[in-house]
Order: sequence, then C-alpha cells, then structure tokens
Amino acid sequence: EAQVTQNPRYLITVTGKKLTVTCSQNMNHEYMSWYRQDPGLGLRQIYYSMNVEVTDKGDVPEGYKVSRKEKRNFPLILESPSPNQTSLYFCASSFSGRVAFFGPGTRLTVL
Amino acid sequence: DAKTTQPPSMDCAEGRAANLPCNHSTISGNEYVYWYRQIHSQGPQYIIHGLKNNETNEMASLIITEDRKSSTLILPHATLRDTAVYYCIVRVEGGGGADGLTFGKGTHLIIQP
Repeated sequence: EAQVTQNPRYLITVTGKKLTVTCSQNMNHEYMSWYRQDPGLGLRQIYYSMNVEVTDKGDVPEGYKVSRKEKRNFPLILESPSPNQTSLYFCASSFSGRVAFFGPGTRLTVL
Repeated sequence: DAKTTQPPSMDCAEGRAANLPCNHSTISGNEYVYWYRQIHSQGPQYIIHGLKNNETNEMASLIITEDRKSSTLILPHATLRDTAVYYCIVRVEGGGGADGLTFGKGTHLIIQP
C-alpha cells in the first residue's frame, strides 16, 4: 500500500531535549516536505527536499533541521525544542511536485 | 501561487450533494486547481485537481468556470464521513521549486444526519 509513515505519532518532551521525528515513503517520490499546523495559522511548510541531498527552507524553518540521505526518508530534527514548537506536524511526499500524499501526523508537546 | 477564497463553513444533509465553491480570480494560465480535505486532525487527503476541463473521479467532481476564476467541488452523495475541512489550492503543477502547498483556512463542511 502506498503510504507516508511518521514516528512517533505522539510525543511529550521537555525544553532543550533533542528529538527526531522520522518520515518514510514507499512511493519513490523525489519531493518530500514537512509542515506544521497550529490553530488559527493553518498548515505552514517548514522544510522541503527536491531529491536526495537537496533540501531548502520553507516558510517557518527556524529551530528545525532536516536531512535527506535516502530517497525514502526525510527526518525532522529539533536540536533544542522549545514550547513554541508544540504543534501538529505532517510529512508529505509527491512525484515532481504534483499530488501530495500526507502522513498521519505527529502531535508534539514541548514542556 | 494565486490566492483563493472559500466560505468558512457549510452544512449539507446526509445523502444530498455537497457543493463547495472556491474563488480564484487571479489564477494564471498554467495554474491548476487542487482540492484537499482534512478530517479532524488527520493528514490532508488529495481529492481532485484540474486545469480547465471539468474532472470527475471516484470521490468527487470538479467544475471549473470557463473564465477559470472560480470552481466548485461536488461530493455527489455526502455521508457523515465527509465532514471535514476542504481546501481549495491553486498552483503550478510540477512546482519547479518548492513543493509547498499554500493552505488557506478552507471550508468546514458539516454533514448533518
């Protein structure tokens, strides 16, 4: 089954404790991206990747890092999480920027 | 990408057709109209997209006006499971650069039993 998976689905952590949210897709898509969703602000893009070893900033990249060492994986790294990064995070992939497939989401709480 | 305008909320009776409008008066000639929906806090789900011709798939129909300044998403027989926020997005297919989808506030469609 074609899908985008994210782990963990739920995470509660404390300020400053590094964490990684994994994202994997099995559709051989070149494009992958990360979004965050906050009440009243909608979905906003954090980072995107057009292919392996090619990443770039989206609209709200501050406080986040990404890497794209393999085509199927696009982890989101929070080196020093802060409470304002409490949010619902979605990973997405697509073939050449066309129809995007989204993961199920990761609900992150930073205390 | 062109800006879109959608009503914030709509109601529809179960079993009836749900017609969701979207205005995109500044759409460019090479921009497609995409529709996604988000059920509660799940990941957004692709529904349908089109350039200028009407489109239909197993989920919905998309009607685009001749001048392409507006469109309507039609769910032919709405069920309770169609209750969701529906997003109309216009963008160049294949992006070129960022894959970013610009999500507005969408239309919260509530299907009434």
